[in-house]
Amino acid sequence: AIWMTQSPSLLSASTGDRVTISCRMSQGISSYLAWYQQKPGKAPELLIYAASTLQSGVPSRFSGSGSGTDFTLTISCLQSEDFATYYCQQYYSFPYTFGQGTKLEIK
Amino acid sequence: QVQLVQSGAEVKKPGSSVKVSCKASGGTFSSYAISWVRQAPGQGLEWMGGIIPIFGTANYAQKFQGRVTITADESTSTAYMELSSLRSEDTAVYYCARSPLRYFDWSFNWFDPWGQGTLVTVSS
Repeated sequence: AIWMTQSPSLLSASTGDRVTISCRMSQGISSYLAWYQQKPGKAPELLIYAASTLQSGVPSRFSGSGSGTDFTLTISCLQSEDFATYYCQQYYSFPYTFGQGTKLEIK
Repeated sequence: QVQLVQSGAEVKKPGSSVKVSCKASGGTFSSYAISWVRQAPGQGLEWMGGIIPIFGTANYAQKFQGRVTITADESTSTAYMELSSLRSEDTAVYYCARSPLRYFDWSFNWFDPWGQGTLVTVSS
């Protein structure tokens, strides 16, 4: 299985800040990586797929980059609705795996 | 736009089985894959397995091999996940999610959309 290290696990920030979340793979996965946002009591929602392609309807302040083993999710100007938990996920090979999650909280 | 609607919450005894359904409405079902992902209370996401309905064959995470069965009924656009030999550690919210297919190797792409989740509580 491909192991994923997502960091940080907790991120404190303020509205208007720029934040980055990192995801590192135990082996190369090309660009087969997705990012999800999950709010309490809700199902995850797709933000980005293929490492850097923004899902339709997702605000442009979200962006993804990377390939191979190192990936980043950036939120350029935090809005109040962005405080949530974020997960990366590889779909390069079975079993599909998720990062441990990053909880983004208000400072 | 497709929606995945899951069956309701379940309370089960240890050692029993649970079967959760996931019905697709408003869009196509057969040319995609359906996966099941679970989330224990306060924990992260864990992929359990998935199926391509047009083929009917499923892939499972090794952790659940032998205990989980994923099936699909194309005629009703419904997928099912059955988990047996339940234990308290199986208490979780179970989600279904749809994936576009990679046609060159029939593997799955990203998960979108997701069902609303089904809480399964295992307690004596």
